[in-house]
Amino acid sequence: DAGVIQSPRHEVTEMGQEVTLRCKPISGHDYLFWYRQTMMRGLELLIYFNNNVPIDDSGMPEDRFSAKMPNASFSTLKIQPSEPRDSAVYFCASSARLAGFSYEQYFGPGTRLTVT
Amino acid sequence: AQTVTQSQPEMSVQEAETVTLSCTYDTSESDYYLFWYKQPPSRQMILVIRQEAYKQQNATENRFSVNFQKAAKSFSLKISDSQLGDAAMYFCAYFSGSEKLVFGKGTKLTVNP
Repeated sequence: DAGVIQSPRHEVTEMGQEVTLRCKPISGHDYLFWYRQTMMRGLELLIYFNNNVPIDDSGMPEDRFSAKMPNASFSTLKIQPSEPRDSAVYFCASSARLAGFSYEQYFGPGTRLTVT
Repeated sequence: AQTVTQSQPEMSVQEAETVTLSCTYDTSESDYYLFWYKQPPSRQMILVIRQEAYKQQNATENRFSVNFQKAAKSFSLKISDSQLGDAAMYFCAYFSGSEKLVFGKGTKLTVNP
């Protein structure tokens, strides 16, 4: 398996622009997580899905952030409009809680977002 | 709420020597999982080792082993025969039935040649 795939790896945009981050989880995994990592705040869980349904979005900072999972193999995290304080590394992770699978989360390579 | 504490923001070790990274956690659950993740400069979060709380035996993965003390809520990571490639941020993480991983703030490990 190719692991969790994220795109783009790097994104530089201007304040006010819309940014869309993409994630393809590991096939067969039924949980998908979006995290944000900054020096100041460390790793923060933004939202997670189970079987494509958002379960907990309490970590989403504000209404400018939205996430969707239209099917089991694709998720997006959108920021509109973007602000400089959104600059961070955004990780997608997936896991499985099916019989025979373990509970650990597997992370994608991350998207480094810079908002100028 | 569950919390994970890594009291050592930075550690250093000489190549080929052994280093131990500390982690404590707070929980009222009896069944849970603990993990150590490694984040090298590439940013990729890599699972190093995991421990199920119901298992008394400490987990081992090659040069990596843990010292799990359930009563003390302690979960330290020992790296033996340290290599230059072990230099990274190491995150301790806790997981219970809530499905959320709770991470510590991380320990930056430097390996000196």
